[in-house]
Amino acid sequence: NAGVTQTPKFRILKIGQSMTLQCTQDMNHNYMYWYRQDPGMGLKLIYYSVGAGITDKGEVPNGYNVSRSTTEDFPLRLELAAPSQTSVYFCASAARQGGVEAFFGQGTRLTVV
Amino acid sequence: AQTVTQSQPEMSVQEAETVTLSCTYDTSESDYYLFWYKQPPSRQMILVIRQEAYKQQNATENRFSVNFQKAAKSFSLKISDSQLGDAAMYFCAYRSAAFYNQGGKLIFGQGTELSVKP
Repeated sequence: NAGVTQTPKFRILKIGQSMTLQCTQDMNHNYMYWYRQDPGMGLKLIYYSVGAGITDKGEVPNGYNVSRSTTEDFPLRLELAAPSQTSVYFCASAARQGGVEAFFGQGTRLTVV
Repeated sequence: AQTVTQSQPEMSVQEAETVTLSCTYDTSESDYYLFWYKQPPSRQMILVIRQEAYKQQNATENRFSVNFQKAAKSFSLKISDSQLGDAAMYFCAYRSAAFYNQGGKLIFGQGTELSVKP
């Protein structure tokens, strides 16, 4: 039972480079989320999706893009990486009905230098 | 918009003793869920306990219990018989029951770093 799987776990990027953080879940959850966690802060929502083909911005979407072509996958794209994007990124998923808690991936520590 | 506030950036407890972590929130909604998540050094977010707003009874999970005061918008976590493995960052979180509200996103507090002294 894999749950939510994020890759990679760690990454160092140079300023201006791009990358995609992968996220997949095997629980058939409709809702998926990307959060970032900065030191001493809680988690802030970047983007979310309520189902395949439907995405929307959260609190801090600038510099990021997402897509949701399948129920399972929700990749996060960073274009033109900046030092301000140095953070820990979490993908999460939740069901529409039934259990209300969100399940999290293990996080990706990204450093932009 | 809903907000969650944790006013204790750090807390410390002696092993085997009891500690209470505070959380307050602000919302105009009547139906919602509240959670405590634990984040150990591994970074994994682990659900500790959850509370449905429509339930008056406080949730308990083994050594973990909450004091849910809906009118005061307060949701504290009590850890009894603290263990070394309880040392972690603890986050309080809010989720609207109206899932159409931004896809039922979780709104997090700033976190409380708990250390446990042997």
